[in-house]
Amino acid sequence: GQNIDQPTEMTATEGAIVQINCTYQTSGFNGLFWYQQHAGEAPTFLSYNVLDGLEEKGRFSSFLSRSKGYSYLLLKELQMKDSASYLCAVVDSNYQLIWGAGTKLIIKP
Amino acid sequence: ETGVTQTPRHLVMGMTNKKSLKCEQHLGHNAMYWYKQSAKKPLELMFVYNFKEQTENNSVPSRFSPECPNSSHLFLHLHTLQPEDSALYLCASSQETVSGANVLTFGAGSRLTVL
Repeated sequence: GQNIDQPTEMTATEGAIVQINCTYQTSGFNGLFWYQQHAGEAPTFLSYNVLDGLEEKGRFSSFLSRSKGYSYLLLKELQMKDSASYLCAVVDSNYQLIWGAGTKLIIKP
Repeated sequence: ETGVTQTPRHLVMGMTNKKSLKCEQHLGHNAMYWYKQSAKKPLELMFVYNFKEQTENNSVPSRFSPECPNSSHLFLHLHTLQPEDSALYLCASSQETVSGANVLTFGAGSRLTVL
C-alpha cells in the first residue's frame, strides 16, 4: 500500500526554527507538495519538489531526497501566524495525489 | 480569498434530509475536485471533474451525488447521510488533471454535521 508519514503535532517557540518531516512509500514518484492550512481556512500551496535538494522561499524551505523517500519543510524565524497544519502530499506514478494526515504546528510565545 | 468559494460554510442536517454543497471558482481552471477531510486523517479524494466530465469516483457511496454543470461550478448533493459522514468537505480546482504537478487551489470548506 501507499503511505505518507508525518508527525501529528509539533510545538515550537516564536522566533525559532522548526523542521516538519514527511516520509513516503508510494508506487512511483512524480513530485511532492506541501500545503499550509490554518484552522477553518482553505489549504494553500507552499511548495513543490520533484528533484533532490533544498528549495528556499523566504522563511520557508522544502527539502527532498528521493532515494530516502523523505522530505522536510523548514520554517525559520517562526511567527505566531505560522500556527497551522502542514500537509504533505506525493504524486504517484499514476499522477494520483497521496496525502499525509497533516502536522499541526503550535507556536508558543 | 483563494478564488474558490464554497457555500454553505456550515451545515447541520438530519439523516433523512436532502441538501447540497456548492463550489464556485473564478480562476479559469478546467478541473474541479471534492475532498473529504476528517480529523487526523489524510484528505480523501471523492470526485474529479475535468472539462465538466467526471474522471474519477473513488468508491464514494451513492448518497453523495456530484454535479458539474460547467467548469466554474461544482455541486455535491447529499441524501440520507450517516453520522460518520460528518466532516469538512473541501472543493478544489486546478488548471487540468492530466499533468503531474497540478497545484490545487482549495476553498475554505463546508463543515457538515449529520445528526
